[in-house]
Amino acid sequence: GQNIDQPTEMTATEGAIVQINCTYQTSGFNGLFWYQQHAGEAPTFLSYNVLDGLEEKGRFSSFLSRSKGYSYLLLKELQMKDSASYLCAANNAGNMLTFGGGTRLMVKP
Amino acid sequence: EAQVTQNPRYLITVTGKKLTVTCSQNMNHEYMSWYRQDPGLGLRQIYYSMNVEVTDKGDVPEGYKVSRKEKRNFPLILESPSPNQTSLYFCASSPPGDRALNEAFFGQGTRLTVV
Repeated sequence: GQNIDQPTEMTATEGAIVQINCTYQTSGFNGLFWYQQHAGEAPTFLSYNVLDGLEEKGRFSSFLSRSKGYSYLLLKELQMKDSASYLCAANNAGNMLTFGGGTRLMVKP
Repeated sequence: EAQVTQNPRYLITVTGKKLTVTCSQNMNHEYMSWYRQDPGLGLRQIYYSMNVEVTDKGDVPEGYKVSRKEKRNFPLILESPSPNQTSLYFCASSPPGDRALNEAFFGQGTRLTVV
């Protein structure tokens, strides 16, 4: 079976840094993904990790530890527009993408 | 413009009345999939298709059917909708290759209510 866990909600201040954690258990593993979803909109792709380590993309970075079944998304210099849900998803060897419940991030002034 | 188009965006229907939600992509992607999104449960995969005439069940396929007769279209069919299928549905497509499943492009969603 597959299990993806991430916090339900987080709050942070504009300009700060926030880390959203995700733990996963999958039968077979082919990569870990992060998506952003604003309320009422479709998810949009943020990042992809298949090897251990940190992937940096501007203000957003994503980290993966395959041995620990753990990933995090790091958002720096938070802006109000970063208020959204962040979805962690794992791809298994059977070509299925399993999503976690999402973390709703609220950025306050 | 590269996009995934779903129709309709909103639908209210009655129990038992067959309906189809269409999904079309113009990026020549091989992989397409359907998800439903419910509060507290996140996105759950209903069905996916690796290519034309190839479909497979996802996590929650019961009560749904799909077909993939052409590469661009992947309709979701509810033969006899029930209230527990009230949800927000997303279609997605991905390009081929090693990153096939990660850079999914999502449609704008279809909010279905079954009364």
